[in-house]
This record gives sequence, C-alpha cells and structure tokens, in this order.
Amino acid sequence: QSALTQPASVSESPGQSITISCTGTSSDVGSYNLVSWYQQHPGKAPKLMIYDDTKRPSGVSNRFSGSKSGNTASLTISGLQAEDEANYYCCSYARGSPWVFGGGTKLTVL
Amino acid sequence: EVQLVESGGGLVQPGGSLKLSCAASGFTFSDHQLDWVRQAPGEGLEWVGRTRNKGNTYTTEYAASVKGRFTISRDDSKNSLYLQMNSLKTEDTAVYFCAREVQYQVLFSYYYYMDVWGKGTTVTVSS
Repeated sequence: QSALTQPASVSESPGQSITISCTGTSSDVGSYNLVSWYQQHPGKAPKLMIYDDTKRPSGVSNRFSGSKSGNTASLTISGLQAEDEANYYCCSYARGSPWVFGGGTKLTVL
Repeated sequence: EVQLVESGGGLVQPGGSLKLSCAASGFTFSDHQLDWVRQAPGEGLEWVGRTRNKGNTYTTEYAASVKGRFTISRDDSKNSLYLQMNSLKTEDTAVYFCAREVQYQVLFSYYYYMDVWGKGTTVTVSS
C-alpha cells in the first residue's frame, strides 16, 4: 500500500489560514470516510486533530477543520498561531492495509 | 486519564529480537483494537500492525514490511499490548508508538480512528 501524498512543507504568517492536502486513491481516501489528521511536535507523540474526514475531537481548537473531495482530503488551519508550527500527518483506512499514512507536512509559521 | 506507556526499547544487533510492551490505563482495554506505529529517524509515520479485540477474535494484521518477523499480542487481564520483534533489520530502527483505536457503527457502516497514542519507545538496530 503506497503512502498518501502530502506537500513536504508549507509556511504562512500568523493570523492567516493554510490548507494541507492529502492525496490518495480510490482504495483508501476515496473509498472510506475515515481520514484522520495528526499534529506532531518534534520528539512528541502524534495528537489527533481530525477524524472521520471532518470531525474534531473535543478539546481541539475550532481553527482546525477537515474536508474531502474525491481522493483528496484537506486540513485547514485558520488564524495561524506560533504553537501550530509542527508536522502534520494524514491517515486513511485502506483496503487491505488497514491504515496508510501520508509522508507528513512541516508547517512553519513565519 | 487515558494513558498508554510503551517500554522495552533498546539497542539490538541485526538479526536479534526484542519485545516491546504497552501498558494501558484509564479506559476499558478489552473493548479496543490497538495498533503499533513506528517512525524512523527524521521520517514519517508507518503503520506496523494491529490487534482486534475479543469480539473480533483477537485477529492480527501486519504491514508487509514486518509480516512474518513481528508478532502482536495482548493480555486483557493485564491491560497490556506487546510487540515481539524477531530477525530485526537496521531499517527497523525507529520510535515505536502504541495507539488505541476507537470503533463505532452507524447503521451498516463501521468507523475507526486512532485517538490516543503513547509517547513511544526507541528501538535501535545496529552492530
């Protein structure tokens, strides 16, 4: 099962919005409403930010939102803050796997 | 507080074996499916394997990269998850995380996601 495709890095200024894409196939992202997004600060455990494509766990800021169209899922962070600087990984349920991750996107808040 | 704590990592020679443990607390361990996910130095996350719960007959699944070498087991009486790693290769060097899966059903569809992760334990395979 191939990894999902994410941009290696993105950057934006504080207060702005940014969207990170995650492209899969009809065997994973496109087949299930089971994309999740994780935030990982260096040396720390991943933290769940979005699940089931669009749902936000309790305690996660409403500045984080998820969406999906076809084989591409997206994570949007609005009102960027310095603390949002981290690596972000998408993850999808996949036929035969069951989980496949994206390669990760390093977010820099300028 | 829901918590997962990994242990058992260390330095091992290529071809050697190591057994990792993951101690759970703060939730009904036996209800959940559990996963191992690893992260090589400077790299992304890679799913290693999963054990289902008793209701799903404790079925295990593995990534192709570890199938036949790694074995996942669990002891619900001890709230513990294990990863037995044999025939280790240098490319198995990574931080190993255990993660809890949430599973729920809506009508005829099942939904899953990994919601709680441990802090990880480091495995180094080197001569």
